[in-house]
Amino acid sequence: GENVEQHPSTLSVQEGDSAVIKCTYSDSASNYFPWYKQELGKRPQLIIDIRSNVGEKKDQRIAVTLNKTAKHFSLHITETQPEDSAVYFCAANNNNDMRFGAGTRLTVKP
Amino acid sequence: KAGVTQTPRYLIKTRGQQVTLSCSPISGHRSVSWYQQTPGQGLQFLFEYFSETQRNKGNFPGRFSGRQFSNSRSEMNVSTLELGDSALYLCASSLFGQAPYEQYFGPGTRLTVT
Repeated sequence: GENVEQHPSTLSVQEGDSAVIKCTYSDSASNYFPWYKQELGKRPQLIIDIRSNVGEKKDQRIAVTLNKTAKHFSLHITETQPEDSAVYFCAANNNNDMRFGAGTRLTVKP
Repeated sequence: KAGVTQTPRYLIKTRGQQVTLSCSPISGHRSVSWYQQTPGQGLQFLFEYFSETQRNKGNFPGRFSGRQFSNSRSEMNVSTLELGDSALYLCASSLFGQAPYEQYFGPGTRLTVT
């Protein structure tokens, strides 16, 4: 089955800096890669996603890149703000069988 | 549109008992997936239902089962509860089951097994 690895497990940045979280996956049939943000005590919220026929996608301060050949994808957050502090999960999806990475706890220090 | 709802929100059970959790998807969504979230194991995929059929299954023992009704509402059942089953159980719904459509999560049911 699919195996998703996510790094780093914790990330601390200064407000205004950029943050990058990386994931690798094992199943070449996976074709959809969402990213979720989970604040303490809340449900995971979809923040951006990318499909296998696209290499990069941007939404304001957030961008995701996908390298299908290398089977890795990354989340980039620019101009980080304290409210970006949360746990971020990547996932790889094959026909609605979705497997998650272990999560990255991002702390943005004011 | 109302979001994904789950009931109950909190549950305390003792070892050996069984439990049933319920998930109501966003109106029009036909696929429901279930996940177990624990601090040590992250988000683990349990199973996915579409049109009342289980299409995908994660690596959980047979004590974990589920079903989906004709109105797309889904239930999951855990029999013979163990201490290690204590977790947040999340369901997520998506529009269709064929293409990789976005999944939206419910608030979860926090199960504590004593």
